[in-house]
Amino acid sequence: DIQLTQSPSFLSASVGDRVTMTCRASQAISTFLAWYQQKPGRAPKLLIYAASTLQSGVPSRFSGSGSGTEFTLTISSLQPEDFATYYCQQLYNYTRTFGQGTRLEIK
Amino acid sequence: QVQLQESGPGLVKPSETLSLTCSVSGGSINSYYWSWLRQPPGKGLEWIAYVHYSGNTNYNPSLKSRVTMSLDTSKNEFSLRLRSVTAADTAVYYCARRRDYHDEWGQGIMVIVSS
Repeated sequence: DIQLTQSPSFLSASVGDRVTMTCRASQAISTFLAWYQQKPGRAPKLLIYAASTLQSGVPSRFSGSGSGTEFTLTISSLQPEDFATYYCQQLYNYTRTFGQGTRLEIK
Repeated sequence: QVQLQESGPGLVKPSETLSLTCSVSGGSINSYYWSWLRQPPGKGLEWIAYVHYSGNTNYNPSLKSRVTMSLDTSKNEFSLRLRSVTAADTAVYYCARRRDYHDEWGQGIMVIVSS
């Protein structure tokens, strides 16, 4: 089974900051990775797929990179609406496992 | 734009069967794959199962012995049955459209397993 480990688990930042979070896979998954944003009481929202392809309608301040076992999600300039929990998901095999999440909080 | 809506009981007794339905509007179920996922309170996301409009299904190995997923193309909906539930099955259950990724989600339905 493919395990995904996200770091950090918690991230405190201010509006306007550039932030980066990481997702590490237990085996190589090429670029078969997606990122989601989830706000409290809401369903996850797809941000990025294929490691770096921005979903339609997602602001360009979000970007993804990586391949193999290490991936990053970067927000170039934090906006108030970006404070949420972010999950990565492997798209390599049918079990579609998720990471445990990175919670982004306001400093 | 496609919309998904979960429905079903919010409370299920231990050892009984959890049954949920996802109604799809704004698009046909006769394409794509469709998934169920869940999220226990305060925890992360877990994929449960998917179904293809052809009827092909696949299940999370950890739940496979207790899960059945089906679809009804005439009603444009798909369903989940989870047998022999315990308190560990308490979660928000989401239905979603699955491509490689999950791009459209229902709002989720909270299901509590308790006597």
